[in-house]
Amino acid sequence: GAVVSQHPSRVICKSGTSVKIECRSLDFQATTMFWYRQFPKQSLMLMATSNEGSKATYEQGVEKDKFLINHASLTLSTLTVTSAHPEDSSFYICSARGEGSAQQETQYFGPGTRLLVL
Amino acid sequence: QKEVEQDPGPLSVPEGAIVSLNCTYSNSAFQYFMWYRQYSRKGPELLMYTYSSGNKEDGRFTAQVDKSSKYISLFIRDSQPSDSATYLCAMKNSSASKIIFGSGTRLSIRP
Repeated sequence: GAVVSQHPSRVICKSGTSVKIECRSLDFQATTMFWYRQFPKQSLMLMATSNEGSKATYEQGVEKDKFLINHASLTLSTLTVTSAHPEDSSFYICSARGEGSAQQETQYFGPGTRLLVL
Repeated sequence: QKEVEQDPGPLSVPEGAIVSLNCTYSNSAFQYFMWYRQYSRKGPELLMYTYSSGNKEDGRFTAQVDKSSKYISLFIRDSQPSDSATYLCAMKNSSASKIIFGSGTRLSIRP
């Protein structure tokens, strides 16, 4: 149980375009979803936390107008990188926390999306 | 000072060795402790989850929490090349929303 999927797994786009990444909890309801980015050989950097039906809470230094997060249902959250630039190239990973007792206090991660902006 | 400190490694050991990975922390309110394993270009995978102090064993993996010393460990017995990955410790208190991650230790098991 506690499977999180992400789509796409890899995306290459031109500078200036927008890219949407989907994160789904497949076998549990995710009350909270988290979005991270990770640069090579570095640890996870939390970008934002989103609760179903409410606005996301962004970490300091993360532009909310640049990284649009929508958590429309208990199984789906999306991250849209707007007007992407080469410096946005990174590994984006979502994670989800559920309602069940076993899932309430920890997070389950998706497989990640590798974004390359040319 | 970071809330969670973890030696980044890299740590290289021969196959079959016992591996010890550790983290220290400063927030005495942390009560939930986790270890994640992350292979290259993949998302982190939850390995172990413990609440408060004590030991927890799952196959070749043992997690230890010493709250008095603010120190947690992950032991891997009979290490295999497939255990080569980055291991992240993580922890949270009972009320905070965010999990705090260590920076990760890169582990390499030599055949």
